[in-house]
Amino acid sequence: QLVVTQSPSASASLGASVKLTCTLSSGHSTDAIAWHQQQPEKGPRYLMRLNSDGSHSKGDGIPDRFSGSSSGAERYLTISSLQSEDEADYYCQTWGTGIDVVFGEGTKLTVL
Amino acid sequence: QVQLVESGGGVVQPGRSLRLSCAASGFIFRNHGMHWVRQAPGKGLEWVAVIWYDGGRKYYADSVKGRFTISRDNSQNTVYFQMNSLRVDDTAVYYCARVSLAPNQLGIDYWGQGALVTVSS
Repeated sequence: QLVVTQSPSASASLGASVKLTCTLSSGHSTDAIAWHQQQPEKGPRYLMRLNSDGSHSKGDGIPDRFSGSSSGAERYLTISSLQSEDEADYYCQTWGTGIDVVFGEGTKLTVL
Repeated sequence: QVQLVESGGGVVQPGRSLRLSCAASGFIFRNHGMHWVRQAPGKGLEWVAVIWYDGGRKYYADSVKGRFTISRDNSQNTVYFQMNSLRVDDTAVYYCARVSLAPNQLGIDYWGQGALVTVSS
């Protein structure tokens, strides 16, 4: 069964960097994912699609501070030079090779 | 620019029906699959349905299968979500979202602003 796992929370200081993790379930280590950001009281926004080889394609207007990388079944979202507006929930989405579309439970990022 | 605008949300009693619409603009609608994703109050995102670019294939989450129907009208650049036999736990903000054009995948690359559906007696 396709499942993606995210830590429920993360925190980092203003101006620092943070790395969020999305872990794919067994048998899905080569699957691509998408990262989405949801700021408080707003709808989600697409950040990037991230492939198993670490290549990624970002959405329109997404700053260079946002980058993605991969290792095995883990997909990472790194945000550098953290700003207050980066405080948000971050969701990973994947779809396997069929029509299973799943979201992780989200990571709530706090900027200290 | 790409825009997805949902409409049709509101308050409805359990067991009743509601139809959501999502009007698309700024891209070639008939080339893209479309999702509906919902978010219950204080909860995370839950995928509920997807429709292929031509309407030829449709898939649903188990939680809504048999009650909800996704459809589209490519001449009107609109995707619909017919929700029947609504339950209290269907209360959520419903988002329509675009499937990106990358081959063999169902990733989302644009979201609408959402429509709130409240099921309450």
